[in-house]
Amino acid sequence: EIVMTQSPATLSVSPGERATLSCRASQSVYSNLAWYQQKPGQAPRLLIYGASTRATGIPARFSGSGSGTEFTLTISSLQSEDFAVYYCHQHYHWLWTFGQGTKVEI
Amino acid sequence: EVQLVQSGSEVKKPGQSLKISCKGSGYSFTAYSIAWVRQMPGKGLEWMGIIYPADSDIMYSPSFQGQVTISADKSTTTAYLQWHSLKASDTAIYFCARRQFADYSFDYWGQGTLVTVSS
Repeated sequence: EIVMTQSPATLSVSPGERATLSCRASQSVYSNLAWYQQKPGQAPRLLIYGASTRATGIPARFSGSGSGTEFTLTISSLQSEDFAVYYCHQHYHWLWTFGQGTKVEI
Repeated sequence: EVQLVQSGSEVKKPGQSLKISCKGSGYSFTAYSIAWVRQMPGKGLEWMGIIYPADSDIMYSPSFQGQVTISADKSTTTAYLQWHSLKASDTAIYFCARRQFADYSFDYWGQGTLVTVSS
């Protein structure tokens, strides 16, 4: 099983600031990585797939980078609606796994 | 518009059986796999298994193999997740999600079904 480790567990930022979230895989997943956003009481929403491709309708302030074992999700200027939990997800190995999540809070 | 609409919340006792559903619409149901994902209270996401409705090919996570049954009905464009004997530890929100063509990420999600198992 590929273990996905996200850091930090909680990120405290102010609206308008830049947020950088990290995700590390226990072995290479190449570019087979997605990021999801989940708000309380809602289903996850796909933000990024293929490590760096924004999903349909996702604002340009969200960007993904990395390959292999190190990945980053950057939110360039946080809006109030961006405060949520973010999960990374590897889909390279058939036993798909998620990170434990990073909570972005004010 | 692509939609995955899940059945409503359930409250069950340990040992009871349950089948929850996920109805797909707005796309070719047989062309996309449907996955099930568990989220225990206050916790993260766990992939449980996936079904390809065209031929009902199914793959389970080892953690859930033998604990649940995944199925799909092409005629009603509905996927199912079933338990034969619930445990208190099955209390969670269960999401269905569509696997997109571009890669194996999940592009559309159901709203979630809360399952509560308590004596």
